[in-house]
Amino acid sequence: ILNVEQSPQSLHVQEGDSTNFTCSFPSSNFYALHWYRWETAKSPEALFVMTLNGDEKKKGRISATLNTKEGYSYLYIKGSQPEDSATYLCAFHGSGNTGKLIFGQGTTLQVKP
Amino acid sequence: DAGVIQSPRHEVTEMGQEVTLRCKPISGHNSLFWYRQTMMRGLELLIYFNNNVPIDDSGMPEDRFSAKMPNASFSTLKIQPSEPRDSAVYFCASCRDIGAEAFFGQGTRLTVV
Repeated sequence: ILNVEQSPQSLHVQEGDSTNFTCSFPSSNFYALHWYRWETAKSPEALFVMTLNGDEKKKGRISATLNTKEGYSYLYIKGSQPEDSATYLCAFHGSGNTGKLIFGQGTTLQVKP
Repeated sequence: DAGVIQSPRHEVTEMGQEVTLRCKPISGHNSLFWYRQTMMRGLELLIYFNNNVPIDDSGMPEDRFSAKMPNASFSTLKIQPSEPRDSAVYFCASCRDIGAEAFFGQGTRLTVV
């Protein structure tokens, strides 16, 4: 059974705070790790796809790191804004013939103005 | 491209009735996923196809659920007979290749009364 765990489950921060979330995943049969942003009443949209150990990706104030050997990824948001409020999902993509894309439960971020 | 298109957007049906959800993936994408969103389990993978072939259906809850992909541009998820516990939002997603970012449809909100 593939287990993708995210923590914390939810987070409330003040505007301007920086924050980070964790995603842990199986360290064997790794192919890719994805991060998605899911706003209420919309569909998940990809933020990053990471494939290499040590990968770091950045998009504006949001960045992510990847450690495939120990099976974790961090998502960082610098200077949170109310519009960053959303659920952030990570997804594990296995290698070989499976190709499954398994999502974690997500971290729901609420940024208060 | 119009993105991943799901229909209907909303479906209300009576217990025992057959329900068919439809999905048109993005042209050129060769992987297609069906997910069910529930409060308890988040985004739960039901089945996924690669090049129109079902690769893993281990997430399909029971025999009442079936999915087909007769060609590269169309997939269906059928529930027969439907039960109230099937009420959820069902998402279809497609990606270009294994490991690539997934693009989600708008989802079908199913209510079984």
